[in-house]
Amino acid sequence: DAEITQSPRHKITETGRQVTLACHQTWNHNNMFWYRQDLGHGLRLIHYSYGVQDTNKGEVSDGYSVSRSNTEDLPLTLESAASSQTSVYFCASSGLAREQYFGPGTRLTVT
Amino acid sequence: DQQVKQNSPSLSVQEGRISILNCDYTNSMFDYFLWYKKYPAEGPTFLISISSIKDKNEDGRFTVFLNKSAKHLSLHIVPSQPGDSAVYFCAARVVGGGADGLTFGKGTHLIIQP
Repeated sequence: DAEITQSPRHKITETGRQVTLACHQTWNHNNMFWYRQDLGHGLRLIHYSYGVQDTNKGEVSDGYSVSRSNTEDLPLTLESAASSQTSVYFCASSGLAREQYFGPGTRLTVT
Repeated sequence: DQQVKQNSPSLSVQEGRISILNCDYTNSMFDYFLWYKKYPAEGPTFLISISSIKDKNEDGRFTVFLNKSAKHLSLHIVPSQPGDSAVYFCAARVVGGGADGLTFGKGTHLIIQP
């Protein structure tokens, strides 16, 4: 069955370190997205991609970057982790249909 | 400025009764709406959606109603079951607006009581 996976599921890092969260989908979807979920905010869009070599900024993109070198993967990089980036991160993908399918999430703690 | 609002952080409903979750939006450019269900430590799962050209969409126990003039949509679950206990997110999308991501509400925690 097609799926979307995220790794690691839990990560603790120190302020100032670079962190990369992985997202891999086997749906063969062109569109991929990164969201963060915080108490009191719901889910907010960080970055998205419509296909290979395409990346776009979302609502809360400062401090994050993504790259899309193939269809299956959209890694999210925190260039210099800050305590404000402690959150749960969700990756999602969508194809021709408008529904997005979400991964299980990565809980990131920045100390 | 929150464009999708779920004003009830939590809702408690007796098993077998109807659950009604509400969502309001402010952006008139939204033309597709979705409901997601989320269990703890899992990602959101798609539940049901509705296009702005419709006012009702039904899938089994789940029905979504859209009132465009009021900028309001609601999700009805009938009958409510214990497995329906979860956080429900309302989401909206602007088609052709540049950003293809979803705008989410803050969620409503539905608790089904036996």
